[in-house]
Amino acid sequence: DAGVIQSPRHEVTEMGQEVTLRCKPISGHNSLFWYRQTMMRGLELLIYFNNNVPIDDSGMPEDRFSAKMPNASFSTLKIQPSEPRDSAVYFCASSSRVYEQYFGPGTRLTVT
Amino acid sequence: SQKIEQNSEALNIQEGKTATLTCNYTNYSPAYLQWYRQDPGRGPVFLLLIRENEKEKRKERLKVTFDTTLKQSLFHITASQPADSATYLCALDRGNTPLVFGKGTRLSVIA
Repeated sequence: DAGVIQSPRHEVTEMGQEVTLRCKPISGHNSLFWYRQTMMRGLELLIYFNNNVPIDDSGMPEDRFSAKMPNASFSTLKIQPSEPRDSAVYFCASSSRVYEQYFGPGTRLTVT
Repeated sequence: SQKIEQNSEALNIQEGKTATLTCNYTNYSPAYLQWYRQDPGRGPVFLLLIRENEKEKRKERLKVTFDTTLKQSLFHITASQPADSATYLCALDRGNTPLVFGKGTRLSVIA
């Protein structure tokens, strides 16, 4: 298996632009998680899905953030409009149970 | 509020020594505690899981302890090597809920 796949790996955009991050979980995993990592705040859970259904989005910072999982093999995290404070590394992870999670390589987002 | 603290941001040790990393938590009753390794530019990688009714778990040169009375987990790497240099994250979950991660400790093993 290729593991969790994220794209793009790096994204540089200007403030106000829309950003879409993509994730393909490991086949057979039924839970998907979106995290944001910064030096100041560490790894924060934004939202997680179970069987494609959003279960907890309390970590989504504001309405500018939205996430979808249209099917078991694809999820997106969208920021519209983006702001400089959104600059961070965004990770997607998947899991087949509540135990260990498998993380993707991350997307490094820079908003100027 | 729930809080997870890892003892220090950075830890430097000499090659061959045992590295000990600490994870403390408050206002939380985890069913499981997990440890992950993160290398620069990469996502965290799962290392070990220990359940609340387990005192200790080992995997090769790694050992994890879990003291629910002290609300603390210790993560040991014996006979440390420069290749063990990375950031180590602890994560708590209560079972059927998402993990909550600590900020991590950056370990540097000096040859």
